[in-house]
Amino acid sequence: DADVTQTPRNRITKTGKRIMLECSQTKGHDRMYWYRQDPGLGLRLIYYSFDVKDINKGEISDGYSVSRQAQAKFSLSLESAIPNQTALYFCATSDRDRGRAGELFFGEGSRLTVL
Amino acid sequence: GQSLEQPSEVTAVEGAIVQINCTYQTSGFYGLSWYQQHDGGAPTFLSYNALDGLEETGRFSSFLSRSDSYGYLLLQELQMKDSASYFCAVRPSGGYNKLIFGAGTRLAVHP
Repeated sequence: DADVTQTPRNRITKTGKRIMLECSQTKGHDRMYWYRQDPGLGLRLIYYSFDVKDINKGEISDGYSVSRQAQAKFSLSLESAIPNQTALYFCATSDRDRGRAGELFFGEGSRLTVL
Repeated sequence: GQSLEQPSEVTAVEGAIVQINCTYQTSGFYGLSWYQQHDGGAPTFLSYNALDGLEETGRFSSFLSRSDSYGYLLLQELQMKDSASYFCAVRPSGGYNKLIFGAGTRLAVHP
């Protein structure tokens, strides 16, 4: 089983619908992140959380919200999806240990299409 | 803010050496990471440089010059399986592992 699991892996929805992407991890990491990937733009940070009581906006948080339900779970919501939110979404985790600096562990991605 | 520049595409042949450059502009800087992503897959960590110099891991090496805001990933003895996208990412000051990624370099390895 994957250490960082994302559900659903693929989703097609319509404009205006509410969508939730879920992420769970078994790595025991405190830090969790949501990134969005678009062709030619690399990965852009949406939100990040350093523990269950900490939520921070990233580069492109408008139109998104998150919930850190437990240390192991971090969900991303689109309250009213729009077509330009069509993208590949990645959840990632990292270790608090400074020896692992610069290393993120990514889930397999959730491909979202908004029609 | 932060910005990173890397070439969009690089082509090489099996057995050759290729260098992927990355220049960055940041308001603060802790280190530079490199990630590999195959088509349809997740990004996977390759290396991290916090100090100037070369870090070697098998066929891959990564270099950082903090004074030049520049780094590169060096891939030696290229194999077909190295065909993938490669991303540099900065770890800005005050953002522990809150990485900011470049747009990626697509490497095509030909026989």
